[in-house]
Amino acid sequence: GQSLEQPSEVTAVEGAIVQINCTYQTSGFYGLSWYQQHDGGAPTFLSYNALDGLEETGRFSSFLSRSDSYGYLLLQELQMKDSASYFCAVDTGTASKLTFGTGTRLQVTL
Amino acid sequence: EPEVTQTPSHQVTQMGQEVILRCVPISNHLYFYWYRQILGQKVEFLVSFYNNEISEKSEIFDDQFSVERPDGSNFTLKIRSTKLEDSAMYFCASSTGVYYEQYFGPGTRLTVT
Repeated sequence: GQSLEQPSEVTAVEGAIVQINCTYQTSGFYGLSWYQQHDGGAPTFLSYNALDGLEETGRFSSFLSRSDSYGYLLLQELQMKDSASYFCAVDTGTASKLTFGTGTRLQVTL
Repeated sequence: EPEVTQTPSHQVTQMGQEVILRCVPISNHLYFYWYRQILGQKVEFLVSFYNNEISEKSEIFDDQFSVERPDGSNFTLKIRSTKLEDSAMYFCASSTGVYYEQYFGPGTRLTVT
């Protein structure tokens, strides 16, 4: 079967750094994406890793270790607007379906 | 910036009724998807569509579900006889097939009573 596990909730203060982990067990794997979803909103793409290592996109970075079936999203200089749910998702090719993780609700406080 | 649109934003229907959810994907995208999200849960894949046919479907996408691209712009999801457990947010998404990013629409909240 397919499973992607994430912590259910994370709380951090404004300006801090937070890391959201994702461990996956899937029958196929091509890459790991991260999506952000505000309450009542649609998932929006943040970052993607197909190779091992760190990808940096502004305040957001994402890491992948294929050998460990593990990845994380790193959010720096947290802002209140970063309060949202974050989902990792696995694909098996550039146009394949996304299999989403359980989601992590991030609460940024003052 | 181009975006995926969905109508209606909210649909209330009675159990056993048919519903059609509509989506307009981004115009130069070739791959189309439907996902659903039950309140408070993760996003689940339903079906993918390419070149006027289903390319993959999940176990959720049983005989009660169908998809269609009736013209060059719309992409629809039909549920033939709705059940209470079909209540969820339904997201349409599209992609170019070249890049990995999928673009999601704002969703249709389906409430089955």
